Amino acid sequence: AQSVAQPEDQVNVAEGNPLTVKCTYSVSGNPYLFWYVQYPNRGLQFLLKYITGDNLVKGSYGFEAEFNKSQTSFHLKKPSALVSDSALYFCAVSYRGGATNKLIFGTGTLLAVQP
Amino acid sequence: EAGVAQSPRYKIIEKRQSVAFWCNPISGHATLYWYQQILGQGPKLLIQFQNNGVVDDSQLPKDRFSAERLKGVDSTLKIQPAKLEDSAVYLCASSLAGATGELFFGEGSRLTVL
Repeated sequence: AQSVAQPEDQVNVAEGNPLTVKCTYSVSGNPYLFWYVQYPNRGLQFLLKYITGDNLVKGSYGFEAEFNKSQTSFHLKKPSALVSDSALYFCAVSYRGGATNKLIFGTGTLLAVQP
Repeated sequence: EAGVAQSPRYKIIEKRQSVAFWCNPISGHATLYWYQQILGQGPKLLIQFQNNGVVDDSQLPKDRFSAERLKGVDSTLKIQPAKLEDSAVYLCASSLAGATGELFFGEGSRLTVL
């Protein structure tokens, strides 16, 4: 079965420190990978995506993600965290399912950045 | 450019009552999605439309949920009768390129079933 896993319910990091939010996936074929962020009482906002090419993808607000095919991972990273980065982060994978592409989400990781 | 519009933002109903949610996607977006997000979980796809046709409704509980997108623009999602476990945020999203591209989400409609 196709799946996306975010092994950490919450990640705590001090402001100014680097952050990593983990994501692994299990899909057949070549997936498209995404990160979305959700602020309280808001919809999800797109951060970045990987389709093909360079394994390091840069996105909005200084975030980047590294695709690792052998480990089937797509971890989200930022060199220096800000308090305003505190939010819920979702990893998602798009795969071919029948006649259409399907997008499934992980369970989310709450990022808490302490001042 | 206007974003994805959803209404109502909040709805409280008794179990066995009915409720309807409305979504207006970004202009020109052919693909429209309804997701259910239960507290503490990731969004789960209920139904995906391409223009006014359904391309995926495999996870839609068809005995109580229905959705339509009659003119290929706005869409409504209906629940009848509602159960306690339907309490969730219902997210509408739209995209240009199907599920391989960026999805644009509305702010969601929070349903509480008592």
